[in-house]
Amino acid sequence: DAGVIQSPRHEVTEMGQEVTLRCKPISGHDYLFWYRQTMMRGLELLIYFNNNVPIDDSGMPEDRFSAKMPNASFSTLKIQPSEPRDSAVYFCASSLGRATYNSPLHFGNGTRLTVT
Amino acid sequence: GDSVTQMEGPVTLSEEAFLTINCTYTATGYPSLFWYVQYPGEGLQLLLKATKADDKGSNKGFEATYRKETTSFHLEKGSVQVSDSAVYFCALNGPTSYDKVIFGPGTSLSVIP
Repeated sequence: DAGVIQSPRHEVTEMGQEVTLRCKPISGHDYLFWYRQTMMRGLELLIYFNNNVPIDDSGMPEDRFSAKMPNASFSTLKIQPSEPRDSAVYFCASSLGRATYNSPLHFGNGTRLTVT
Repeated sequence: GDSVTQMEGPVTLSEEAFLTINCTYTATGYPSLFWYVQYPGEGLQLLLKATKADDKGSNKGFEATYRKETTSFHLEKGSVQVSDSAVYFCALNGPTSYDKVIFGPGTSLSVIP
């Protein structure tokens, strides 16, 4: 099992540029989550999908952030334009079944984003 | 809303010492409780879970007991190893969380030989 695959592992960009983070969930998993991790705010849920449909995007910080899941094996998180305060580690996680059924989250290794 | 509080780190222990990481929660109803672990450079992975009061979750020598009366889920290990050095996250999913898992801030553990 390849696990959740995220790319790139590291991204350094300049303020104002567009950034696209990519995620391939575990095959067969029907939930996909995007989290952001910072020292100040810890682990924040940005958005999650069920069967490729966005369910809750209330954690997306502002309109500069958008996420898509065009099919069951691929999702993107886009920031346009990027700002230095977006610097963080972004994690993608997937699960088979609902959290309410105690399905564990499987995390990728994250993308470390630095915006200068 | 639902929330999780953990003891602040970092925690530094010598090898073979006893570990306790405190976790308390606030939630409506009866949530399921989890401990996740994050090793350096990796994503989080589930360590153990408990789904109802008085349940004990255990894995890799770690244990945690769901205490409804004190709304706690403290993580313990009798003898830590250097390889246990990581960040530990307490988390919950409650009836009003729907499909969201709510994480605590994490506690960093360093075990020195």
